[in-house]
Formats: sequence, C-alpha cells, structure tokens
Amino acid sequence: EPEVTQTPSHQVTQMGQEVILRCVPISNHLYFYWYRQILGQKVEFLVSFYNNEISEKSEIFDDQFSVERPDGSNFTLKIRSTKLEDSAMYFCASSEGPSQPQHFGDGTRLSIL
Amino acid sequence: DAKTTQPPSMDCAEGRAANLPCNHSTISGNEYVYWYRQIHSQGPQYIIHGLKNNETNEMASLIITEDRKSSTLILPHATLRDTAVYYCIVRVMNNAGNMLTFGGGTRLMVKP
Repeated sequence: EPEVTQTPSHQVTQMGQEVILRCVPISNHLYFYWYRQILGQKVEFLVSFYNNEISEKSEIFDDQFSVERPDGSNFTLKIRSTKLEDSAMYFCASSEGPSQPQHFGDGTRLSIL
Repeated sequence: DAKTTQPPSMDCAEGRAANLPCNHSTISGNEYVYWYRQIHSQGPQYIIHGLKNNETNEMASLIITEDRKSSTLILPHATLRDTAVYYCIVRVMNNAGNMLTFGGGTRLMVKP
C-alpha cells in the first residue's frame, strides 16, 4: 500500500539554525499538509498546499515557516530560525482530492537545543 | 469545524468489540465525521468517514445517529495492536484542502 515517507526520522538542531523537513507524498496525491505535535499535546494543523500555493495556514505558521514542492515528488517544510518551542513531531500528510482522506507519514522528531 | 466530545479513555478485552462514542451535537449539514487513530510514536492513521449513512470497511464500522449528533466507531474484534488514541473529527467538505482539527481523542487500551 502506498505511503507517505518523511526524512529524517529525527533531526537535532541548534537554536537559531535553519532546518528543512522532507516529505514524499503518495504519488497520485495533489493536496499536501503539514501538522505538528508537541510532546504530550494535540496534533495541530500548520498548512495546506495545492497547485504550488498555500491554500490554508494556521496562526502557528508564521514568517519563520515556509513550504515548497521543489520537484514532482518532494514536499518540504523549512523553519528559518528555529526556537526551542519548535521542538515537536512534524507530520506530513497528503490526499488525492480536497475531500478525500488525508494520509500521514510517521513524522520527523525535531529537537532544538 | 464543529467540536467533538469523546471519553478520554476506554478499556476493551482482546477479541471483543470496541465501541468508541463521539458527540458532535453542533455538526452542520455539510460536515462529515472522520475517525483517525494514532498508535504510539506513529502518524495519525485514517480509519473511516461518513456523512449520515452507516459505513463499514476492512478496519471498522461507523454508526451515525439519525440526527447526526453522535456517532460510534466499532472495532469488531479488537486486538492488542488496536491500542491507540482514537480521534473523532468533523470536517467541512468543499473544494479547499481542509485541515483536520484534532481534539484529545479516546485512549483505547486493549487488554489480553
């Protein structure tokens, strides 16, 4: 069964550094999403992306965050200058259409030191 | 999106049916009920969704009340691997890539 893959599984970064989290969505999916989950807390929506544009974003997704689909297979989340509070699991998801179920990867654990 | 209410935790004996309730009394006519689960250290996993009719797939059944104010997810023969947090989410369906709003979910513990 096709799945969403995320790399790396664990990223450790110094505060203030830039980090890029990578995702390979399911190949025939057109809608892409990022969520995060701080340890012990709820899964929170960050951003949705379709047709090379952000279609929706949350208040968490501020100017420090950006997303990109640099080629036909990857979908990335960049945090420009990481803060301690960015430490969380980051989940990528994709869906075939806007009303279709979203399928999640197993996440990247981001640890900011 | 409408808010959902779920019990924080439930236990179920292995091999028995697990019935997970969800209240969504303020659901709108164009909102679907979605169920996801999150096994420890993994990403959320889609289970099933429905609008007003009952639905069944290889993982579970979804029973939605006639007034749509509540629903029940049924795992017919729970196994130890079904131990997870189960999320009931209501979601508007339109042409945008709509976000999922996760609550606290129900932590289901399947016991031998």
